Amino acid sequence: AAGVIQSPRHLIKEKRETATLKCYPIPRHDTVYWYQQGPGQDPQFLISFYEKMQSDKGSIPDRFSAQQFSDYHSELNMSSLELGDSALYFCASSLTTAGEEQFFGPGTRLTVL
Amino acid sequence: SQQGEEDPQALSIQEGENATMNCSYKTSINNLQWYRQNSGRGLVHLILIRSNEREKHSGRLRVTLDTSKKSSSLLITASRAADTASYFCATVLYSGGGADGLTFGKGTHLIIQP
Repeated sequence: AAGVIQSPRHLIKEKRETATLKCYPIPRHDTVYWYQQGPGQDPQFLISFYEKMQSDKGSIPDRFSAQQFSDYHSELNMSSLELGDSALYFCASSLTTAGEEQFFGPGTRLTVL
Repeated sequence: SQQGEEDPQALSIQEGENATMNCSYKTSINNLQWYRQNSGRGLVHLILIRSNEREKHSGRLRVTLDTSKKSSSLLITASRAADTASYFCATVLYSGGGADGLTFGKGTHLIIQP
């Protein structure tokens, strides 16, 4: 079965650079979520989109922005990167917007040097 | 502050034994979910229990929910080496909207000794 696809899987950036992470949800899923997981930490919700509109917002820094496109894929744009942004970034998708099961991608490991 | 807090933080048991993990949360919820994460990998959904349910089973998993105590437990019976992973509870707050993000607990790192 098709799963959530994230690219790139690994990314190394310098401080103050920008990064773009991409997420391709499971076909027919209309909702996308982004999470950040620091080393040894639990995942933290950043933002979600339903039908290309921002739906819920968590602890997403102002330096980050995201959008969902007409083909339902989503991109997380991160600017002015800081060392503390080094983390695993997960995308998840779901079929409903009723708080049901979320299917997670393998994650993008971002390292900021 | 975290919506969900889990205990124990780490648990090591022998293969074949049962493992129990607990989770507490602070606000009213719509549902509570349990996820498993193998080291550095994505999270895998295990089971969802709604706020009006008290117990749910799925294979070797048993989940309970006590909304009066704002707590849940996950029992894995007849543990296997492949069950070694971190286990997180995650809550969805009750809201009238949709696409609500999950609020995760700190997680329990489970090690199954062969």
